[in-house]
Formats: sequence, C-alpha cells, structure tokens
Amino acid sequence: GEDVEQSLFLSVREGDSSVINCTYTDSSSTYLYWYKQEPGAGLQLLTYIFSNMDMKQDQRLTVLLNKKDKHLSLRIADTQTGDSAIYFCAYTGGFKTIFGAGTRLFVKA
Amino acid sequence: EPEVTQTPSHQVTQMGQEVILRCVPISNHLYFYWYRQILGQKVEFLVSFYNNEISEKSEIFDDQFSVERPDGSNFTLKIRSTKLEDSAMYFCASSALLRSSYNSPLHFGNGTRLTVT
Repeated sequence: GEDVEQSLFLSVREGDSSVINCTYTDSSSTYLYWYKQEPGAGLQLLTYIFSNMDMKQDQRLTVLLNKKDKHLSLRIADTQTGDSAIYFCAYTGGFKTIFGAGTRLFVKA
Repeated sequence: EPEVTQTPSHQVTQMGQEVILRCVPISNHLYFYWYRQILGQKVEFLVSFYNNEISEKSEIFDDQFSVERPDGSNFTLKIRSTKLEDSAMYFCASSALLRSSYNSPLHFGNGTRLTVT
C-alpha cells in the first residue's frame, strides 16, 4: 500500500547538521518532496527531487535519494533556531501526494 | 510570489450543520486539492480536482463531502452535516501549469481550522 515512514522527533544543537530520514513504499513515484510546517501555518514546500536523481543541493539543504532502498533524507547544514518546525516527507502517486507523519525538529540554542 | 489563500482561517460550527470552506488557488494552476490534518496526526488526502471534475478521492471523502469550482477562481469544500470527528485543519492546494505535470509540487494555503462542537 501507500505509506511514508518518518521518525517523530529530532533534537540538535544550533550550528550542527540535522538529518531527517524517510522511507516510502511506492516504486512508481516521480517526485519526492520535503515540506516544512511551522506552528499554526500551512505546508511550505522546501525542496523536491526527481526520482531519477540521487542528490540535490539547495543552499543549506541536501536531499539524498536511495531509490533501491526507497529511502529519502534531508540534511540541513548549520541548523538555526528558525529551522525548528515539523518536516514532512511526501511523494506523488497518481493524482495525490502521500505524506508521512512528520518529524518534529527541535533546535537547542 | 503567487500563493493559495483560504478563508476563513478558523470556523466553529455545531454538529449537523453545513460548512463551506473556501480557497483561491494559484492563478493558472490546473489541479486542485483538499487535504486535512487532525491535530497531531498525518496530513491526509481528501480529493483532487481537474477539469471541473474529481480525479481522485480518498475513503474519507464520503457522501457528506463535495467540492466545487463555482467560478474561475474559487475552489470550495462543503461538508453537508458536520460530525465531531470532522474537526481538523483543512488545507487547500494547487499545482501544475501543464496537464502532463499533474504530479508536480503542491502549493498549500495556510489552512482553515474547523472546530465542530
């Protein structure tokens, strides 16, 4: 079936790197995404990767995709307190996007 | 940057009442969606809409739910007779300038918090 698994919590110190991991079940997805949700706000698209890519870098963000293992990760370099939020992994399947439960990132000053 | 807007930001209603949640998707986007997020839980797909008809819907989207694009800009979600368990944040989203790129990234609104009492 369709499923996305993520760890629920991650705590890092300001300035360290954060790595948020995700596994998914669908093998036909074309795009995989990372969304960020701050308290009381909507879902903000952070970055996405095509399924034929292994890596994408966008400033402090690095996305790694292991298609064989169906594993997606998001690395945030030099994590700041403003990065504290919930991060959702997602992929498209047909006309819908399937989301994980989200990883809550705590950044300690 | 263009954005998806949703109104109202918070709606309180009594059980059994009808509610309509409103959304203005990004202009020129072709695909429209509703998702919901019960407090502390996953973001769940409800329905996708393209070319004035539903293209896919989930099990959650039963006969109590309907969607409409009454004019060229608004996209609405109606819940006919609300239940307590309909309390959630409802997100509207839109995507894709091209028909062939229906699975391109979704752009979300800030959501409507629905509270059913």
